[in-house]
Amino acid sequence: AQSVTQLGSHVSVSEGALVLLRCNYSSSVPPYLFWYVQYPNQGLQLLLKYTSAATLVKGINGFEAEFKKSETSFHLTKPSAHMSDAAEYFCAVSDLTQGGSEKLVFGKGTKLTVNP
Amino acid sequence: DTEVTQTPKHLVMGMTNKKSLKCEQHMGHRAMYWYKQKAKKPPELMFVYSYEKLSINESVPSRFSPECPNSSLLNLHLHALQPEDSALYLCASSQTNGGTDTQYFGPGTRLTVL
Repeated sequence: AQSVTQLGSHVSVSEGALVLLRCNYSSSVPPYLFWYVQYPNQGLQLLLKYTSAATLVKGINGFEAEFKKSETSFHLTKPSAHMSDAAEYFCAVSDLTQGGSEKLVFGKGTKLTVNP
Repeated sequence: DTEVTQTPKHLVMGMTNKKSLKCEQHMGHRAMYWYKQKAKKPPELMFVYSYEKLSINESVPSRFSPECPNSSLLNLHLHALQPEDSALYLCASSQTNGGTDTQYFGPGTRLTVL
């Protein structure tokens, strides 16, 4: 079974500072990886996804992530944090079940706080 | 339009009640999902429907009963729930149940079981 590990359950940055949220995957085959954001009392919104086309993936709201096979990582970055980026961020991997269906397996999440 | 709608937004029910959660999408997606999310935890998959057929049931207790009446609608019927079932229930849909398909999530139904 595939899994992802998010390092750091809480990350705090100042407005305008670099945002770096860490995600490592465990997979023996090239995985499909996703980053989702969840604002309070809302559903999840896709930020970006890696499907093996390009290792540097650009997403919405200025976020990007780089797939590094040698490090089994898919870290999420944004050059300059904005107050509106404060939210919970989930890394996820697509996992094939025994029945042949795909399902998303989420990391535990990282709560991003942006200080003025 | 990439919207998944869920009703109701909030639901309070007793342990002997029967209620239903509803999810709807009009994106032509053929895969639909139910997730359960407890506070400060990631979403946990409950059920997957692919082309209106149940394809994944993650060993969910029978007091949760999913139904997919057509390709746009997904229901979750609730009966004899326990207080520990209180959570945010999220619906999602995707083009198909493929590994690269983006899942679009609804805003969720906040369920409280008394």
